Amino acid sequence: DAGVTQSPTHLIKTRGQQVTLRCSPKSGHDTVSWYQQALGQGPQFIFQYYEEEERQRGNFPDRFSGHQFPNYSSELNVNALLLGDSALYLCASSFIIPRLSSYNEQFFGPGTRLTVL
Amino acid sequence: AQTVTQSQPEMSVQEAETVTLSCTYDTSENNYYLFWYKQPPSRQMILVIRQEAYKQQNATENRFSVNFQKAAKSFSLKISDSQLGDTAMYFCAFMKPRTSNAGNNRKLIWGLGTSLAVNP
Repeated sequence: DAGVTQSPTHLIKTRGQQVTLRCSPKSGHDTVSWYQQALGQGPQFIFQYYEEEERQRGNFPDRFSGHQFPNYSSELNVNALLLGDSALYLCASSFIIPRLSSYNEQFFGPGTRLTVL
Repeated sequence: AQTVTQSQPEMSVQEAETVTLSCTYDTSENNYYLFWYKQPPSRQMILVIRQEAYKQQNATENRFSVNFQKAAKSFSLKISDSQLGDTAMYFCAFMKPRTSNAGNNRKLIWGLGTSLAVNP
């Protein structure tokens, strides 16, 4: 059973360009969350997708957008790249559970390292 | 807003010894989840241990255990019989429970991490 996969592994872009990162969730998972981890920092929540809709969003500008496909895979798009967007971008997947008070583990991918020059 | 603080940027321990990593958090919630994640050089974030706030008993997973002090808002991780493979960044994270069916798990809120080196 493949875990969460992300592509590409590394990416180098220049300021002002646009980038698309991809994530395939673990088999059986229907929810994808994206995090940004700057060097030496903890991850910061960007947004979460479920049923092809953005369900939660962190404190990130509209330059950050996403999409979820019917097969539950997801894309993260960043427009007008800034130097400060250089970071490791982590994707995490989980599956919905009916009980509101319950928790289901988020499984993380290996991340995409984005460098903006 | 919730915050998570890890006050130890770096720690080291000798192989086979015990080490404790500290984490404090701030929240007005009564029910929530706390986690310790490990991030080795491979970058893959791996769940080490989880604690539900409504459970008084401290969670344990083999060599890993926590000391959860709800009133003090403290959540430390103890690693016993440290192994070379334990060398990694360790992150403490917080999550509120899901309160609607509009989404799945709530977002994780993370500390800055503690870099742990296990020396032979």
